[in-house]
Amino acid sequence: EVQLVESGGGLVQPGGSLRLSCAASRFTFNNFWMHWVRQAPGKGLVWVSRIDRDGSRKDYADSVKGRFTISRDNAKNTLYLQMNSLRAEDTAMYYCARAISESKKGCGFWGQGTLVTVSS
Amino acid sequence: QSVLTQPPSASGTPGQRVTIFCSGGSSNIGNNTVNWYQQLPGTAPKLLIYSNIQRPSGVPDRLSGSKSGTSASLAISGLQSEDEADYYCAAWDDSLNGVLFGGGTKLTVL
Repeated sequence: EVQLVESGGGLVQPGGSLRLSCAASRFTFNNFWMHWVRQAPGKGLVWVSRIDRDGSRKDYADSVKGRFTISRDNAKNTLYLQMNSLRAEDTAMYYCARAISESKKGCGFWGQGTLVTVSS
Repeated sequence: QSVLTQPPSASGTPGQRVTIFCSGGSSNIGNNTVNWYQQLPGTAPKLLIYSNIQRPSGVPDRLSGSKSGTSASLAISGLQSEDEADYYCAAWDDSLNGVLFGGGTKLTVL
């Protein structure tokens, strides 16, 4: 079965940086678009970013544009999210998600998430 | 409009049929397909319906999706206690150039 394991979350001060990773296995990673989605405590799902199969196309939510960067290393089957200039409102569980299929780009299979807390 | 609107809550008794609606606009549901997700407490979301009406393997056929114009719905028949969860609709938005999620509907099985 598809496996996605996020890591890199933790406590960071406002203005700080973190890099999240998502290790993918049991599917052909470079055939799928990938997403990051976050969920603040007690709140709903909010899409953050997506990247195409070879990393040439990246889309971002307005709330993170210019601060977050999505990337992937297909040789390592790993998705990344570099988060800079972090704010309290970035506090959330961050999920990586694989596209539904090789032709359908929406969020399909989800990892278990990694928690990011931005606080002084 | 670039927002997907869901009722915050829904409820039903075991065996009943419940429908959750998701209202959007021409830039999202009106021009793109809708996906539905279930999130059980303390767990990651799970895809229930994609491309408006398709069920991934393993999702029971008592769950069904539909779409008409700028609205979509998720129907759950033969309601069971294990259906108690949060449900989210989602669609690509051409104006925002991003994925929109609805605010979520908390389903309670009475």
